[in-house]
Amino acid sequence: QVQLQESGPGLLKPAETLSLTCTASRGSISSSGYYWGWIRQPPGKGLEWIGSIYYSGSTNYNPSLKSRVTISVDTSKNQFSLKLSSVTAADTAVYYCARQRVEGWYPFDFWGQGTLVTVSS
Amino acid sequence: SYVLTQPPSVSVAPGQTARITCGGNNIGSKSVHWYQQKPGQAPVLVVYDDSDRPSGIPERFSGSNSGNTATLTISRVEAGDEADYYCHVWDTSSDRVIFGGGTKLTVL
Repeated sequence: QVQLQESGPGLLKPAETLSLTCTASRGSISSSGYYWGWIRQPPGKGLEWIGSIYYSGSTNYNPSLKSRVTISVDTSKNQFSLKLSSVTAADTAVYYCARQRVEGWYPFDFWGQGTLVTVSS
Repeated sequence: SYVLTQPPSVSVAPGQTARITCGGNNIGSKSVHWYQQKPGQAPVLVVYDDSDRPSGIPERFSGSNSGNTATLTISRVEAGDEADYYCHVWDTSSDRVIFGGGTKLTVL
C-alpha cells in the first residue's frame, strides 16, 4: 500500500515561510481517484485540515488559512508540497500528509507519520 | 460554517461497548469517517462512509449515522482501543474538510 513521508525544517522563526514536502512510495500521485492532503495538529489539540490537491493541480483550502497557504504537486517526483507563509507560534504543530480517496466521500485512508514544526524566535 | 461536536471523553470498562457520538446539523445527509489516534502516532481510518471498515480493522468497530448524530461503536472494548477518536465529513456546500474536536476513549 502507499506510503507517505513528510520532510522539511523542524524549526522556524516568526514571519518565515514553512515549506514541507510529502513523498509517496508504493503508489502514484498521478492515480485518478485520489486527492492528497495536509492536516496539522497543535500539541495537545485536535486535527485541522489545511488543504488538498489533485494530481491535475486542482486545490481546496481551509478558508481560515487560505490567504497564507499554497499546495502544489510534482508528479515527476511523486511529491506534493505545502507552503505556509508568515508563520507565528500558533502554527507550531505536527504536520501530516495523507491520501484522500474520492470514492466514499473523501476519507483520508493513508497518512504519513507526521513531522513536528516549531515556530520560535 | 459546518460544525461537528464530539464529547471530550468517554470511559468504558473492558469487554463493554463504547459509543462515541459526532453531532452536526443534518449530519445524516453526509458521509462520516472516523479515525483512531494513539499517543505519538498518526491517525488511522477505522470507519468510512458512515459504516464501512477498511481492511484490517476489526469487526468490533462499526458506525451509524442518522438525523443529527453519527455514532462510532466499539464492541468488546480492549485496553488497546484506548485512544483519541475523530469524526470527519466533507462539507459539500463549502468544499472543505471538517473534523470534530475529538473524543478521548479511556478503558477503565
